[in-house]
Amino acid sequence: SAVISQKPSRDICQRGTSLTIQCQVDSQVTMMFWYRQQPGQSLTLIATANQGSEATYESGFVIDKFPISRPNLTFSTLTVSNMSPEDSSIYLCSGKGTGLNTEAFFGQGTRLTVV
Amino acid sequence: RKEVEQDPGPFNVPEGATVAFNCTYSNSASQSFFWYRQDCRKEPKLLMSVYSSGNEDGRFTAQLNRASQYISLLIRDSKLSDSATYLCVVPALIFGAGTRLAVHP
Repeated sequence: SAVISQKPSRDICQRGTSLTIQCQVDSQVTMMFWYRQQPGQSLTLIATANQGSEATYESGFVIDKFPISRPNLTFSTLTVSNMSPEDSSIYLCSGKGTGLNTEAFFGQGTRLTVV
Repeated sequence: RKEVEQDPGPFNVPEGATVAFNCTYSNSASQSFFWYRQDCRKEPKLLMSVYSSGNEDGRFTAQLNRASQYISLLIRDSKLSDSATYLCVVPALIFGAGTRLAVHP
């Protein structure tokens, strides 16, 4: 499967600021996703990043808080805006082909701490 | 009912044991399923796809029971290196909460 390079791997940010996380895939992928994972919890899907159009957000997540870009089939960014301590989490990007039986593969994750 | 549910464990088993995890799903129309493994502080990585006819890869066997809407993962001859969290994934990339496995000497 393809390889995703995600950065930064970790960051400590002040509340009220914003952080942009980048994911670069080494080949074109049809679908890209952004997840959040709280310590000891499973992955929660934030949104599907759509190439050339607005992302599709899951319930509880909004564009103003988590703007997403996907300018092409190999790159996507997630911004965590106006951060608060509750945003402290691991953020993961994922890529997947279109086939039903194609698996998703993940970036290494960004460990975010908001102080 | 949650879209996907897993027993969170932890399952503490000795080396060499056989251990099985189940994962139930709510959407009867679901077509494709996966098991992922996640090590501490690492990203999830694909372990196995789950096919209708079952799927075996070495010590690992994945099965699908459509009638009861669950998938299972069987690990035979457990190794210390099998210690991890195992996540089931249903279509639309909904992840289960994960089952923690700890294999001890």
